[in-house]
Amino acid sequence: AQSVTQLGSHVSVSEGALVLLRCNYSSSVPPYLFWYVQYPNQGLQLLLKYTTGATLVKGINGFEAEFKKSETSFHLTKPSAHMSDAAEYFCAVSESQAGTALIFGKGTTLSVSS
Amino acid sequence: ETGVTQTPRHLVMGMTNKKSLKCEQHLGHNAMYWYKQSAKKPLELMFVYNFKEQTENNSVPSRFSPECPNSSHLFLHLHTLQPEDSALYLCASSRLKGDTQYFGPGTRLTVL
Repeated sequence: AQSVTQLGSHVSVSEGALVLLRCNYSSSVPPYLFWYVQYPNQGLQLLLKYTTGATLVKGINGFEAEFKKSETSFHLTKPSAHMSDAAEYFCAVSESQAGTALIFGKGTTLSVSS
Repeated sequence: ETGVTQTPRHLVMGMTNKKSLKCEQHLGHNAMYWYKQSAKKPLELMFVYNFKEQTENNSVPSRFSPECPNSSHLFLHLHTLQPEDSALYLCASSRLKGDTQYFGPGTRLTVL
């Protein structure tokens, strides 16, 4: 069965600092991996996704994530945080071959201070 | 993102009321989903429809009744809800089941 673990329910960084949000997954078949962002009172917006091919994936708003099969990880990073990055971030996995629906992690709330 | 719309955005209802949530997608997708998002809990997948057929029901109580009349519309009929059902209900769609999902803004439901 698939599962997603996001380490740290809350991450705080200063503006301009590196953002690192951790995600580990389990999947019995090659996974599709996703990061979504949710701003207050809004739905989820896709940041980036990994399906096949290049393991370093670039997304919107300067975010990127690297798929590391050996570590079963898909951590999200951004070199320099902006105040506007404050939101909740969700990692999700889908078993590509099975075409299953997404399984989400519990989410990580990112706070950015000036 | 206006590809997936949800109405109403906010709903307050009593435990004996009957109401419906509506979701519409304008993306030409074939799969649609209902999720429940409660405070301090992961997103819970409730139902999945693929080509108008329900393919997943994750042990959702019968007081929640989904309906998918066509690939563009998805409803969630609510009846005799409990206060613990108060949550943000999110609709999503994807081209095929398992593909990238696009979410609506959600309906904030409060059950009194």
